[in-house]
Amino acid sequence: RKEVEQDPGPFNVPEGATVAFNCTYSNSASQSFFWYRQDCRKEPKLLMSVYSSGNEDGRFTAQLNRASQYISLLIRDSKLSDSATYLCVVSEQTGANNLFFGTGTRLTVIP
Amino acid sequence: DVKVTQSSRYLVKRTGEKVFLECVQDMDHENMFWYRQDPGLGLRLIYFSYDVKMKEKGDIPEGYSVSREKKERFSLILESASTNQTSMYLCASSLAGGSAGELFFGEGSRLTVL
Repeated sequence: RKEVEQDPGPFNVPEGATVAFNCTYSNSASQSFFWYRQDCRKEPKLLMSVYSSGNEDGRFTAQLNRASQYISLLIRDSKLSDSATYLCVVSEQTGANNLFFGTGTRLTVIP
Repeated sequence: DVKVTQSSRYLVKRTGEKVFLECVQDMDHENMFWYRQDPGLGLRLIYFSYDVKMKEKGDIPEGYSVSREKKERFSLILESASTNQTSMYLCASSLAGGSAGELFFGEGSRLTVL
């Protein structure tokens, strides 16, 4: 069983649409959660950390559901530039180096 | 901005050759990592280091070694390259403590072993 699982997609959505991805994790003791973005043939870059209370950064909202052991990423008013692969990352200990990466969800925003 | 620089973007090597991948970061980060990324498998940790001369095995250390003689530099060594080591190799760094999950990646080194 994988530590972190994501629907690989692809999600193809029109510009302006709202799209949401979920990511499930297997270890209930997981402490820290992140979303990374990876453009084609580029390195992953941190998009946002996910806090227990949820957090928002512009059009992006991340939420954590500890009871069901998943995190979500919501993108509102999708832009062409949002096309990328979104990686879910889970750490089992705060500040530790035990990071588990999902295989990513691919998003394509269509004009 | 944090910059993580990997020495080679593309390499082609033959089976049995020794391969060095170099990584340098300029933000005085304590932690440094080497991952490989393969389609359908995501990022897998090869080795990480939390201090100079310190190293810890990740999930797939077999066939690899690392060196961290200076804080800013973390090298990945393939002693005898094999075709199953054809992959994208990503170096990353982070601060120690609560920000350890906030990784800064280099652009990657795509290695092909023939």
